[in-house]
Amino acid sequence: AQRVTQPEKLLSVFKGAPVELKCNYSYSGSPELFWYVQYSRQRLQLLLRHISRESIKGFTADLNKGETSFHLKKPFAQEEDSAMYYCALREGGSQGNLIFGKGTKLSVKP
Amino acid sequence: DTEVTQTPKHLVMGMTNKKSLKCEQHMGHRAMYWYKQKAKKPPELMFVYSYEKLSINESVPSRFSPECTNSSLLNLHLHALQPEDSALYLCASSQEPSGGAREQYFGPGTRLTVT
Repeated sequence: AQRVTQPEKLLSVFKGAPVELKCNYSYSGSPELFWYVQYSRQRLQLLLRHISRESIKGFTADLNKGETSFHLKKPFAQEEDSAMYYCALREGGSQGNLIFGKGTKLSVKP
Repeated sequence: DTEVTQTPKHLVMGMTNKKSLKCEQHMGHRAMYWYKQKAKKPPELMFVYSYEKLSINESVPSRFSPECTNSSLLNLHLHALQPEDSALYLCASSQEPSGGAREQYFGPGTRLTVT
């Protein structure tokens, strides 16, 4: 069963528009949720983790346990936000392995 | 040094060759990981090393053989690979394998092509 679902393969918005990348997870315990980003020709890097409740590059993500979601949001998209975004889950008590969603490619047009 | 380095960047090998991928980190991390990423797909976990011992093997074929030389260096030995093994191989490390300090830092990957 798929543990992390990112329903959109591709999301295209115009610069300055709000953006929301959806992520839903399936796990009965207390998961750790992350967003990773991969810019063109760059390494995969951590963007956000739910336990930090931080805002990075204007992005925020709130863990909603009722809806089992961890959507990534930004009020005003920038062209440099264009990248591949992966939502990832780590099961509580595991030895560190991440389960990745299939990814959403965000394209921000000028 | 806050990076995970991987060599080589690119590797082309025949199905009868033996080659190795190398991953290095000097952040004092005690957990290291190998992932395989096919084009337009998410990374898939292959192996986890925790305190230099193999703790997770995700049913990876024996033609892939990991080796942890020391706490900073992780190898992936390749032998008799198939064309479908062509992919980007990512290494990652984290401070601890469990607990709060488990953010994973990824290397740039080795692009492997099996001919």
